Amino acid sequence: DADVTQTPRNRITKTGKRIMLECSQTKGHDRMYWYRQDPGLGLRLIYYSFDVKDINKGEISDGYSVSRQAQAKFSLSLESAIPNQTALYFCATSEQSGEQFFGPGTRLTVL
Amino acid sequence: AQTVTQSQPEMSVQEAETVTLSCTYDTSESDYYLFWYKQPPSRQMILVIRQEAYKQQNATENRFSVNFQKAAKSFSLKISDSQLGDAAMYFCAYRSTFIGAGSYQLTFGKGTKLSVIP
Repeated sequence: DADVTQTPRNRITKTGKRIMLECSQTKGHDRMYWYRQDPGLGLRLIYYSFDVKDINKGEISDGYSVSRQAQAKFSLSLESAIPNQTALYFCATSEQSGEQFFGPGTRLTVL
Repeated sequence: AQTVTQSQPEMSVQEAETVTLSCTYDTSESDYYLFWYKQPPSRQMILVIRQEAYKQQNATENRFSVNFQKAAKSFSLKISDSQLGDAAMYFCAYRSTFIGAGSYQLTFGKGTKLSVIP
């Protein structure tokens, strides 16, 4: 079984809809991250969490919110999706000093 | 803020040959980590190699090695004996060791698309 899972893997939605992307991990890591990947721009950090009570904004948090329901679960929400939020979204986890382990990604299309 | 620059949007290499991907970064910190990630068409992000700035010795992982030049803030990836399965996007990334706001996040370059020619 994969250590970091994301659901759904692909999603098409309409402008104005609320969308939630979910991430679960079995690695036992405290730190979790949400990134967005756009063609030609690499990955950019949206939000990160160092534990259940610690949530921090990243480089591009506007239009997004997150919830850390448990150590193993970190969800990303788009309250009112817009077309320029069409992208590939990655969840990642890490130990305090280690490299980050990525989930398989969610491809989101907002029409 | 740290920045990571990959100046080669696309590169190609003949199968079995060697290719070097470039990465430069900007930071005022003296201790940090550098990574190369591979993203094949499956879109999974796979760690290829990591380098700790305080270690002068260049990291190697089988056919993958780096040339880490700390003073020049350069971190290139060399792939030897290239294989068809090496075809992917390659991302260079920086991570601070500073304990503070924003620490432990990865700052990525924009990526280099590597094609392998049979």
